[in-house]
Amino acid sequence: AQSVAQPEDQVNVAEGNPLTVKCTYSVSGNPYLFWYVQYPNRGLQFLLKYITGDNLVKGSYGFEAEFNKSQTSFHLKKPSALVSDSALYFCAVRDRGGGADGLTFGKGTHLIIQP
Amino acid sequence: GAVVSQHPSRVICKSGTSVKIECRSLDFQATTMFWYRQFPKQSLMLMATSNEGSKATYEQGVEKDKFLINHASLTLSTLTVTSAHPEDSSFYICSARTSGGSSYNEQFFGPGTRLTVL
Repeated sequence: AQSVAQPEDQVNVAEGNPLTVKCTYSVSGNPYLFWYVQYPNRGLQFLLKYITGDNLVKGSYGFEAEFNKSQTSFHLKKPSALVSDSALYFCAVRDRGGGADGLTFGKGTHLIIQP
Repeated sequence: GAVVSQHPSRVICKSGTSVKIECRSLDFQATTMFWYRQFPKQSLMLMATSNEGSKATYEQGVEKDKFLINHASLTLSTLTVTSAHPEDSSFYICSARTSGGSSYNEQFFGPGTRLTVL
C-alpha cells in the first residue's frame, strides 16, 4: 500500500521569506510524485511532478521540489513567498510498480503567507 | 487548456433520493477519469477509476452499487449516488487524464461538487 504524510497542518511564512512544505511518502516500489494546490472553492491545480531524472523539479509559480530517495521525501519549496501563495497544498504519490491508477494524497497543508 | 468541469457545484437532496454528478473534460479527450471524495479537513480519497467504454474499477470499501459510475464518452463521466444518506454528504471531486496518457501524467481536476444529504 502507498501512503503520503504531510506532517504540518499549517505553515506560516512572512512574505518574501523562503517557504518549505514537507512531504514524505511510502511505496513498495519507485514513486511518481506530485504537488497540487487548492484555492478556496476551486479544484486542485497541478504544480509539479517527479518522474525520473534530476532530483530537483521546477514547477509553476516559482515552486520547486526536491526528491530525496533515501529520506523518502519530496518537500515543496519557494525562495521568496508571496501573499498569493496562501492556499492548501497537497502532495500525492503513485507507485510506479502498479496498484491503483489514481493518486494517493496527503492530508494537505495550509500555507499562510503573512504580509 | 486542460480544463475539467463538474456539475452541479452544489446539491442538497433528501435522504433516499439519487443524485447524479457530471464530470467533463472541456478541451481534451480523457480515456481515464477518477472520482475522489474529500471529507472536511481530510485528504482526497480515491473512490474509483473510470475508463471510457468499460466498467469502473472501485477501491476497496467503496460500494459499486451505491456509487454508479458511467464513462460513456471521452469527455464525460458521471457519478450517481444512489439512495443517498446523510453519511454520503461530502465533497466529490473528479479528475481526468489525457487520452494515451501514462500513469505518470498529471491529472486535471474539476472544481468539485458539494453534496449535502438531509
